[in-house]
Amino acid sequence: RKEVEQDPGPFNVPEGATVAFNCTYSNSASQSFFWYRQDCRKEPKLLMSVYSSGNEDGRFTAQLNRASQYISLLIRDSKLSDSATYLCVVRNTGGFKTIFGAGTRLFVKA
Amino acid sequence: EPEVTQTPSHQVTQMGQEVILRCVPISNHLYFYWYRQILGQKVEFLVSFYNNEISEKSEIFDDQFSVERPDGSNFTLKIRSTKLEDSAMYFCASRAGTGGAEQYFGPGTRLTVT
Repeated sequence: RKEVEQDPGPFNVPEGATVAFNCTYSNSASQSFFWYRQDCRKEPKLLMSVYSSGNEDGRFTAQLNRASQYISLLIRDSKLSDSATYLCVVRNTGGFKTIFGAGTRLFVKA
Repeated sequence: EPEVTQTPSHQVTQMGQEVILRCVPISNHLYFYWYRQILGQKVEFLVSFYNNEISEKSEIFDDQFSVERPDGSNFTLKIRSTKLEDSAMYFCASRAGTGGAEQYFGPGTRLTVT
């Protein structure tokens, strides 16, 4: 089983749509969880951290289920500028090794 | 806003040559990382560095790789004898503290080995 698995995508959605991405991780001792976005040939940029209680940042909502080892990201009212690859990121206990999922590609169309 | 910087942006080298990739992390950060991303593939963890020593490394980070923080500001990745398969984008990242603190990435160095 891969350490971090994501929906393969791509997701093609119209502007204004709501889209959800899922991610599972295999190491139950994982400590910290993040969503990053990556534009083509650019560095990953932090979208949001993910907390056990769930958290929201504008149009973005992240959820964590430690029992199921599952992380999700919900994007509401999609914009053209949301088109990117979304990376699920898990950091292990100790805070050093960081594992990236392969990413889910999102295309938002006018 | 403080940012991580990397030089050069693109490095072309011949197989067997040594390369040094340079990074300047955000100034008050304590944890430093190198990642690589082969074109079309996922971001892969190489090594983390804390308190002037390697804290963790992946299977990729073999004896051909080394890291150094020579002067308190730069953080370097050296590949002693490059192989074709080392061609990738190399990202440096840093973070401030423990727990859930996020990592900030530099813009990357594209390494092409010919």
